[in-house]
Amino acid sequence: AQSVSQHNHHVILSEAASLELGCNYSYGGTVNLFWYVQYPGQHLQLLLKYFSGDPLVKGIKGFEAEFIKSKFSFNLRKPSVQWSDTAEYFCAVGSSGSARQLTFGSGTQLTVLP
Amino acid sequence: GAGVSQSPSNKVTEKGKDVELRCDPISGHTALYWYRQSLGQGLEFLIYFQGNSAPDKSGLPSDRFSAERTGGSVSTLTIQRTQQEDSAVYLCASSPPQATTYNEQFFGPGTRLTVL
Repeated sequence: AQSVSQHNHHVILSEAASLELGCNYSYGGTVNLFWYVQYPGQHLQLLLKYFSGDPLVKGIKGFEAEFIKSKFSFNLRKPSVQWSDTAEYFCAVGSSGSARQLTFGSGTQLTVLP
Repeated sequence: GAGVSQSPSNKVTEKGKDVELRCDPISGHTALYWYRQSLGQGLEFLIYFQGNSAPDKSGLPSDRFSAERTGGSVSTLTIQRTQQEDSAVYLCASSPPQATTYNEQFFGPGTRLTVL
């Protein structure tokens, strides 16, 4: 069975600080990887995704993530956060080649102080 | 275009009552998923529909939970004899045919269920 671990439950940063949110997964096969974001009062939105190819993927709003297969990791990064990045971030894993459900991590609440 | 819609947005019910939650997927999307998000938790998979195939019900927590999808479009999640531990946000997602091998899912706003 798949599992996803997000090690940081709550991260507090000041504006312009750099961000890295950890995500590790457990699964023996080929995976598709996602980061979703949920802004206050809004629904889940896709931030970025990895299916294959370049392990460094870029998403919306300056976010990027790096897939490191040997470490079963897909960490999310942003060089300089803004107050508007305050949200909850979810890492998710799906089985490549399958339309089945995603397995989500428990989420990381990011608070950016102005 | 229109996104995934869910109704009601909020539902308060008494313990023991039945509730129905509705999901309208994006037009043309063949896959539909239900998840549950409890306070401080990630998303927990409940059930998955793909076209006319039999649904994957492996995530349903008990036989009080059921779901159907009529005409390959709208889906209803039914919880019978609700319990307080059923309180959560119930999320629906859908995927277009070309994305189904890659799991990309588009989420609705959710229904917040509170069982008193």
